[in-house]
Amino acid sequence: SQKIEQNSEALNIQEGKTATLTCNYTNYSPAYLQWYRQDPGRGPVFLLLIRENEKEKRKERLKVTFDTTLKQSLFHITASQPADSATYLCALPRNQAGTALIFGKGTTLSVSS
Amino acid sequence: TAGITQAPTSQILAAGRSMTLRCTQDMRHNAMYWYRQDLGLGLRLIHYSNTAGTTGKGEVPDGYSVSRANTDDFPLTLASAVPSQTSVYFCASSDKGAIGDTEAFFGQGTRLTVV
Repeated sequence: SQKIEQNSEALNIQEGKTATLTCNYTNYSPAYLQWYRQDPGRGPVFLLLIRENEKEKRKERLKVTFDTTLKQSLFHITASQPADSATYLCALPRNQAGTALIFGKGTTLSVSS
Repeated sequence: TAGITQAPTSQILAAGRSMTLRCTQDMRHNAMYWYRQDLGLGLRLIHYSNTAGTTGKGEVPDGYSVSRANTDDFPLTLASAVPSQTSVYFCASSDKGAIGDTEAFFGQGTRLTVV
């Protein structure tokens, strides 16, 4: 089955800098990959989806890349703000049949002013 | 809009007792999911349902059962709770049965402590 690694448990950056989070996966290449944000005590909230034939996707200050050769996705937050502080989760289809998502353990981002 | 509603918000349960965690969605999504989230382990899939009347096992199904009698409800039952089932449980739904390329919507979670 698919495995996901988000290689940083925590990332601390200063306001205004760009945060870059990494998601690596093993086994098969998924048809798509998703990123979620989770605040303490809350459920995850969807941010972005990128398909295997898309190299890059943007939404406001967010950018996601998808490299199927490296089996990696990068998630960038530009001009970061303290309000961006949260845990960010990478998610992929559980298997090639696509039945349900599996999630990485997440990276907790802290943006200091 | 309500989205996904989970009940109860939190519960303390004696070991050996049974309990049903409730999940209701008002988005008419055909797929629903149960995850548990534990510190250091992240979100893990317990059971899923691609459409009403069907269910499947996730990564950690042991000790849990689900049913999907209709589109809106997806209850999770612990038949005989054990302390290792202490966790935060999240219900989610999505528009496509195989989740396809659509987002998952999550409830606010149920914090369960088994003592």
